[in-house]
Amino acid sequence: NAGVTQTPKFQVLKTGQSMTLQCAQDMNHEYMSWYRQDPGMGLRLIHYSVGAGITDQGEVPNGYNVSRSTTEDFPLRLLSAAPSQTSVYFCASRVSNTGELFFGEGSRLTVL
Amino acid sequence: GIQVEQSPPDLILQEGANSTLRCNFSDSVNNLQWFHQNPWGQLINLFYIPSGTKQNGRLSATTVATERYSLLYISSSQTTDSGVYFCAVDNDYKLSFGAGTTVTVRA
Repeated sequence: NAGVTQTPKFQVLKTGQSMTLQCAQDMNHEYMSWYRQDPGMGLRLIHYSVGAGITDQGEVPNGYNVSRSTTEDFPLRLLSAAPSQTSVYFCASRVSNTGELFFGEGSRLTVL
Repeated sequence: GIQVEQSPPDLILQEGANSTLRCNFSDSVNNLQWFHQNPWGQLINLFYIPSGTKQNGRLSATTVATERYSLLYISSSQTTDSGVYFCAVDNDYKLSFGAGTTVTVRA
């Protein structure tokens, strides 16, 4: 049972480049979400989805896009990367509006 | 979003000592979890505990939802308990994390 899988684990970008962080879960969870973690801080919610075709903004959505075409996948897109987006990104999922949240292993992104 | 405060921010323990970590939150919640982030950055689920008390080995947690706080107890601490402990809560899909308690257990 893979759980929540994120790719890539490490990425270096130049300012202005675009990229997509992939997230997939095999637990048939309706709720999926993306967070960023900056040094010395807790995680902050970027975007979340309560089901296929439904997404909404979290605390820090600017500069990021998401879509949810299937239950399993929830990619996070950076259209024009900025140094302020250097961070560790975590994807997470759970069954619905209640229940235990499961995290992926994280993706470390550096924007030069 | 819900405000989450964790205390203390840092904790240094001698191996074998007991400790209590606290999480205060500003509103009623449907979900509350405790996580341990290990030195490799992985987030490990410790407890899903929106109310009540749970125990898992040397760790236990209590949430008093009516008073908006949760406590995490570590007994007989070991060096492998080192890392950052996070409390996270939500009542509307928008999970809020505390800033964490950094625990260092010395041999």
